[in-house]
Amino acid sequence: DGGITQSPKYLFRKEGQNVTLSCEQNLNHDAMYWYRQDPGQGLRLIYYSQIVNDFQKGDIAEGYSVSREKKESFPLTVTSAQKNPTAFYLCASSTGTGYRPEQYFGPGTRLTVT
Amino acid sequence: AQKVTQAQTEISVVEKEDVTLDCVYETRDTTYYLFWYKQPPSGELVFLIRRNSFDEQNEISGRYSWNFQKSTSSFNFTITASQVVDSAVYFCALNSYSGTYKYIFGTGTRLKVLA
Repeated sequence: DGGITQSPKYLFRKEGQNVTLSCEQNLNHDAMYWYRQDPGQGLRLIYYSQIVNDFQKGDIAEGYSVSREKKESFPLTVTSAQKNPTAFYLCASSTGTGYRPEQYFGPGTRLTVT
Repeated sequence: AQKVTQAQTEISVVEKEDVTLDCVYETRDTTYYLFWYKQPPSGELVFLIRRNSFDEQNEISGRYSWNFQKSTSSFNFTITASQVVDSAVYFCALNSYSGTYKYIFGTGTRLKVLA
């Protein structure tokens, strides 16, 4: 079945440590996205990538980094520079070409930093 | 500026009642797309519908219906005969043809359907 996988579902880290969240898709989508969701909040865009080896900052990119070496994969690293990293992180993808298609989302990773 | 407003933070209804979730958007673009997503307690957002700015026809899918009105910049979502399984957070989103692939999400409406 085609879809987006994110691992792990729950992640716990100590303050000051970098952590990488995995996102893999087998939908053959060109565009991929990372969002952050805080309780009672909407989704805020961290980074997005339209094609391999290219990505753009979203609205809250500070303290985060990404790579897009393969079409299927778009890992997100939460660095120690991110002041409030505890949140729910969602990865999404879309065909990303021409018209504006819907996004498909992964199950999310809940990160807790103490 | 682009913006999506979902003024209803939380709605509670009794099973079998009809419920409408409001979505108001702002954009200066003439070409844009609107979406509704459902986020159940598991956390994954599920795509429900897409509408482009040139298609004002209302859409019905089973118990779900959507009313798109450009005159009021609204794209409201109605669930008929609600069920407990409809309990979730619902997000409205906007994407304008402004040369980017950014999607603007509202803050969501939490729907609780009580048995």
